[in-house]
Amino acid sequence: SQQGEEDPQALSIQEGENATMNCSYKTSINNLQWYRQNSGRGLVHLILIRSNEREKHSGRLRVTLDTSKKSSSLLITASRAADTASYFCATDAHPGVQGAQKLVFGQGTRLTINP
Amino acid sequence: KAGVTQTPRYLIKTRGQQVTLSCSPISGHRSVSWYQQTPGQGLQFLFEYFSETQRNKGNFPGRFSGRQFSNSRSEMNVSTLELGDSALYLCASSALLANYEQYFGPGTRLTVT
Repeated sequence: SQQGEEDPQALSIQEGENATMNCSYKTSINNLQWYRQNSGRGLVHLILIRSNEREKHSGRLRVTLDTSKKSSSLLITASRAADTASYFCATDAHPGVQGAQKLVFGQGTRLTINP
Repeated sequence: KAGVTQTPRYLIKTRGQQVTLSCSPISGHRSVSWYQQTPGQGLQFLFEYFSETQRNKGNFPGRFSGRQFSNSRSEMNVSTLELGDSALYLCASSALLANYEQYFGPGTRLTVT
């Protein structure tokens, strides 16, 4: 099963409103990342938050991390039509050779911004 | 810097055939990871290579294999294709560790008929 689970699966809001997406995960992590994917394309890295950080900002993005609850949220403020995309959280897990971590992605939240 | 490139972008194969996909990472990036994305299973990790060594792998059958060359370019191969292998295959590179910021290519859309 996926390490990260996003909630909600789909979100539709009006342009200018704020959008909040949540991610829950199961095991301890070193960091958590958020990515955006426009339809059928590659993913774009948005923000990385380390396990010892509680909040991080990048432009209109605000990410919080609560390691006690194993959850994170992504807030997009003043949404725009161009923010329409799928948003994924990714956590590192399952060490391989030389302790190398891999990213495990959630199922994503499909965000639609209506003009 | 040029981004991650993947070739081909689209591919149609028939069951039983094999396919090779190619990925060129960002210059200087030594870690290359591969993912399979399908509507039903989402994004699933296939494997990661660093300095020509496979450092991590996901839960995929042995039909899925990969390799990395000395210039960090990577290929993945799928043999004996099945209908369920139809997916978007994404390659991502990172500077050192796969659990840090990854840069994704546009993907290869594989359709198996």
